Parts: sequence; structure tokens; C-alpha cells
Amino acid sequence: KQEVTQIPAALSVPEGENLVLNCSFTDSAIYNLQWFRQDPGKGLTSLLLIQSSQREQTSGRLNASLDKSSGRSTLYIAASQPGDSATYLCAVIYREYGNKLVFGAGTILRVKS
Amino acid sequence: DGGITQSPKYLFRKEGQNVTLSCEQNLNHDAMYWYRQDPGQGLRLIYYSQIVNDFQKGDIAEGYSVSREKKESFPLTVTSAQKNPTAFYLCASSMQGLGQPQHFGDGTRLSIL
Repeated sequence: KQEVTQIPAALSVPEGENLVLNCSFTDSAIYNLQWFRQDPGKGLTSLLLIQSSQREQTSGRLNASLDKSSGRSTLYIAASQPGDSATYLCAVIYREYGNKLVFGAGTILRVKS
Repeated sequence: DGGITQSPKYLFRKEGQNVTLSCEQNLNHDAMYWYRQDPGQGLRLIYYSQIVNDFQKGDIAEGYSVSREKKESFPLTVTSAQKNPTAFYLCASSMQGLGQPQHFGDGTRLSIL
């Protein structure tokens, strides 16, 4: 069974710190990997999508990398702000599963002012 | 504005009762999905539909049913056979084709009375 694992489960940092969230997946045969943000009681907001042929994507203070050979992705957040506090979810579309997204359990981020 | 609308935001179910969650999209997407989210876990796929009048079971379809009579609508019924229905339910949609990004609604929280 294909899975997605996120480490750490929770993270608390002071405002202004740069931080890295980790995501690992079990098979390199993927279509793409997506990072989402979820605020409490809300739906998912897509942050970055990395296609299988890409190595990284950037949006503002966010940078996501993809290393298929090692089955890893990282989400880098620069100069963190209290407004970045949320749960961050990583999801993969494995080629074996067609269009089904397989999600990690998420990393709960708290940025302290 | 294009998007996905889920209603109601909160829903309560009595023992032995079926309840239906609504999901409507105006993105002109062919594919629609239903996910369940439990605390501390990632999203799990309940049902998905790639085209009108066709749908497939996901990983946890038992106790749920769906219909896809219109392109814009994909309602989910939580039946009395679902013994642990308390969860956050998220609907998503995407364009047709493999590896297309999914867009999410704001979710419905279902609780047992």
C-alpha cells in the first residue's frame, strides 16, 4: 500500500525563523506532489504543486522541493510569521492509483510572536 | 467567483438516520471527490466520480453512498450503516486527466446527537 509520511507532527517556532517541513512517499512513480494549508475548521488551500518532472516550485516565501529517487519532498518557509500558523498537508498522486490523492497526516505549525 | 460550495457547514445525525451532504462546483470540472478527515489523520478517499452518471469507491466507501446526476453536483449520503460517522467531510473537484490538481471546498462537520 502506498503511503505518505510527514515529519514532524507538530512544530513551534518563534516569528522570523526559517523552517522546513518534511514529506516522504513510498514509490517514485508519481504524477505530482502537492502541499496544502489547512486552517482550523476550514478546507484545504493549495500552496504548491510539483509535477513529477520538476525539482522545485516557489511561491513568495514558500519553496517546495521534490526528490523522487529518495522519495522526499520538503516545504521551506522563509521568515515565518504568526499568520503562517496552520496545518500543512502533503499529498501525492501515485501512478498506480490514477487520480487518487494520498495524504500525509500533516504538520501542525505554530509561529509565536 | 468559481469555486466549490459545501453545505451545511455543521450537521448532526441521530441514531439510525441517513443524512446527505451537499457539494456543488461551478469550475466546469469533470471529476469530483469526497474525503473524510479524522483528528490527527490525513484525508481518506470515500468516493470519486470522473464523469456524470459514473462513480467509483475509494478506500473507505462502506456506509456511504453517492450520486452524480449533474456535472456540478456530487452529494454524499452517510447511511445508518456507517457506525462512526463523526468526522470532517471535504469535497474536491478537478479537471479530467491524470495528475490534475484538486480544488477543495470548506468542508462539513458531521456529529452524532
